[in-house]
Amino acid sequence: QKEVEQDPGPLSVPEGAIVSLNCTYSNSAFQYFMWYRQYSRKGPELLMYTYSSGNKEDGRFTAQVDKSSKYISLFIRDSQPSDSATYLCAMRAKAGNMLTFGGGTRLMVKP
Amino acid sequence: DTEVTQTPKHLVMGMTNKKSLKCEQHMGHRAMYWYKQKAKKPPELMFVYSYEKLSINESVPSRFSPECPNSSLLNLHLHALQPEDSALYLCASSPEGTGELFFGEGSRLTVL
Repeated sequence: QKEVEQDPGPLSVPEGAIVSLNCTYSNSAFQYFMWYRQYSRKGPELLMYTYSSGNKEDGRFTAQVDKSSKYISLFIRDSQPSDSATYLCAMRAKAGNMLTFGGGTRLMVKP
Repeated sequence: DTEVTQTPKHLVMGMTNKKSLKCEQHMGHRAMYWYKQKAKKPPELMFVYSYEKLSINESVPSRFSPECPNSSLLNLHLHALQPEDSALYLCASSPEGTGELFFGEGSRLTVL
């Protein structure tokens, strides 16, 4: 079993839909949680960063962390075709530790 | 635009060549990383420099050699690579005391 599980997709939604992307993990020591967006042939771009549990909102993006369930989510409201990309969750136990990535979910938002 | 700058963006090399990838950041971060990413896979850690001290992923072959001239610069020296080393090579940096990791745009390497 992988340490971080993420549905690979592809996830196809119409423009304007609410998108929910999720990761589950097994290591209870993880406390730094990140979501990256990666366009084809580009480097990953940090979208959301959360320390420990709770919610964080930034524009159309909301990140949720539920440490009791070892489950994190990224919600995208009013999705746009420009949101079409691969979304990677990532997490680590301490600031200096290795980052553990999920496998990535490919999202397609159709006009 | 990313504040981690990587050059070159594309590199094609033969198996007998010696080349280098370069990375620069001016955010004052004291940890810098090299990652390798194959198509449809997440990035895999190769090397970490934290306060200019090197940590190595033991699975990385010796034909990859990192160098950290100072806290803002990171190089990856390439020698006698194999076609399976073709990938996107990503540099990243991290501020002290947080878990955030900021990536560059990557250098796409093709080994013929």
